[in-house]
Amino acid sequence: ETVLTQSPGTLSLSPGERATLSCRASQRISSNYLAWYQQKPGQAPRLLIYGASSRATGIPDRFSGSGSGTDFTLTIRSLEPEDFAVYYCQQYGRSVKTFGQGTKVEIK
Amino acid sequence: EVQLVESGGGLVQPGRSLRLSCSASGFNFGEYAMSWVRQAPGKGLEWVGFIRSKDYGGTSEYAASVRGRFTISRDDSKSIAHLQMNSLKSEDTAVYYCTRDFDYYNSRGFDYWGQGSLVIVSS
Repeated sequence: ETVLTQSPGTLSLSPGERATLSCRASQRISSNYLAWYQQKPGQAPRLLIYGASSRATGIPDRFSGSGSGTDFTLTIRSLEPEDFAVYYCQQYGRSVKTFGQGTKVEIK
Repeated sequence: EVQLVESGGGLVQPGRSLRLSCSASGFNFGEYAMSWVRQAPGKGLEWVGFIRSKDYGGTSEYAASVRGRFTISRDDSKSIAHLQMNSLKSEDTAVYYCTRDFDYYNSRGFDYWGQGSLVIVSS
């Protein structure tokens, strides 16, 4: 089973700064079936990125995804106040669809 | 508008069973796979399992932590997915989310989520 490891655990940044979140897989993710989600307290997660780099419907272009194989990155170009949240990566394979443990982006 | 509404959560004793339902609207339910994801209090997301669309066999897959205890089913005529949970343990306490999923070759992550249903396993 593919294990996803996200880093850092917490990212302390100020509004306007750039956020770079990492997701590393224990084995190659085929077809780049890697997604990123945002979750705010008390809310269901929201899909941001799928296929490693495709933005989901309605997602602002300050969010971008990159990577392939085992190393993936979510970048938030310039943090808005509403972007402070927890972010999860997920691989959605043929039979198993695991999540990383999450990265919290907090206000510095 | 796509909507997913979970129901059936509540307090249940260890070892007992509970069935969650996910009522879907706003899309052609039968064309999609459906997944369940849970989140224990203060913890991260854990994928529970999914069921493929009938076009892909309607079969289901599960996380190791629930395999053999949980069963996902679907009724395409009613646009409902169910999560049958048996032999519940305290560690199954979580908010359970129903999500719209895609069959493998069209996969795009989980693009719609329900609001979640809280299950508490305690004596």
